[in-house]
Formats: sequence, structure tokens, C-alpha cells
Amino acid sequence: AQSVTQPDARVTVSEGASLQLRCKYSSSVTPYLFWYVQYPRQGLQLLLKYYSGDPVVQGVNGFEAEFSKSNSSFHLRKASVHWSDSAVYFCAVSPVTGNTRKLIFGLGTTLQVQP
Amino acid sequence: GALVYQYPRRTICKSGTSMRMECQAVGFQATSVAWYRQSPQKTFELIALSTVNSAIKYEQNFTQEKFPISHPNLSFSSMTVLNAYLEDRGLYLCGAREQGKTLYFGSGTRLTVL
Repeated sequence: AQSVTQPDARVTVSEGASLQLRCKYSSSVTPYLFWYVQYPRQGLQLLLKYYSGDPVVQGVNGFEAEFSKSNSSFHLRKASVHWSDSAVYFCAVSPVTGNTRKLIFGLGTTLQVQP
Repeated sequence: GALVYQYPRRTICKSGTSMRMECQAVGFQATSVAWYRQSPQKTFELIALSTVNSAIKYEQNFTQEKFPISHPNLSFSSMTVLNAYLEDRGLYLCGAREQGKTLYFGSGTRLTVL
């Protein structure tokens, strides 16, 4: 069975600092990989996704993520965070065969950006 | 652009009663719809996947008897929480996609059970 681990429940950074949110997955086959963001009192918005190819994928609002097969990871990065980036970030996977429409989410990482 | 609307945004129901939530896709054909629940302090769990003209597939721990879903056309889906109790509270998200394309989520319906 597939699973997603986000080891950091909460991350606090200063505005303008760089950011890395960690995500590790467990799967017998490399799944499709996603990062979603949940702003306060809202649903989920897709930041970026990885299917294949270049392991570094660019997303919206300056976010990028790097896939590492050897580490089974898909960490999210941003060079310089803004206070508006404060939100909960979810890493998710979906299988490449079978039920490809099912997303399996991690527990999320709450990002707090301090002024 | 593609958007997914969910309503109501928030709802409160008494324990043992039922409530219905709706999901509307705008700007694309929602050939499949996924309903997720985010319980307090937890992540998102898939309740069921619905594809137009196919049977609705429920995940373990979720049943049609408790969460009946309707997906009558390519722009609309609804789900009812029957006989709601405290453990059913949370944020219910609808995700819709056109076949082979990006999944879009609505803003969710937040259910409070008194």
C-alpha cells in the first residue's frame, strides 16, 4: 500500500527566508506526486505535480519540488517566502496503475511565515 | 477557466439528522468526481469516486448507505451524510476532473454536528 509521510507538522520561517517542506512516500512503484496548499478556511489548491521526466518541477507562486527516486522523496522548496504563503501544505501521491484517480495525502505541514 | 463550486460552505446539523452537499463543475466536463473528508486534526480521506455512467466506488470505512452520492451529469454531483454524528464532522471536499486532465477541488463544505 502507498503512504505519504510529512515529518514536520509545523515549520516557522521568517519572511524572505528560503523554505523546504519535506515529503517522503512509500510505494513499490514510483507514483504520481503532488503538492497541494490549503489556505485558511479554504479547500485545496494544486501547487505542482510530477509525473515523469525532469526531477525538478516548477509550480505556482515560485514553488518548486524535487523528486528523488533513491530517497523516495518529493520535497517542496521556495527561495524566498512571503507572509501570504502561510498555510497548510499537503503532499500527495496517486498510483500509476489501477485506481490512478485516488489521492493519498500526508498529514500536512503548517507553514507560518513571520514578518 | 475550470472551477469547482461547493455549497453550502458551512452547515450545522443536529446529531442523527442528515445533510446534503453539492458540487458543481464550471468550464469543463466532470467525467469523474471524488469526495474527500478532512476530519479535525487529520488529513484528507477518500470517501468515494464517481464516474458518469459507471458505478460509484466507495473506500473502506465508507458506504453508500451512509454517504449516498449522485452524479447525474457532467457538471453536478451531490453527497448526503445520513444520520450524522459527531465523528462525521469535518471538511468535505469535492474534486472533479475531465478524463485525463487536472483534478480541481472546490472550497469544501464544513459540517458541524451538534
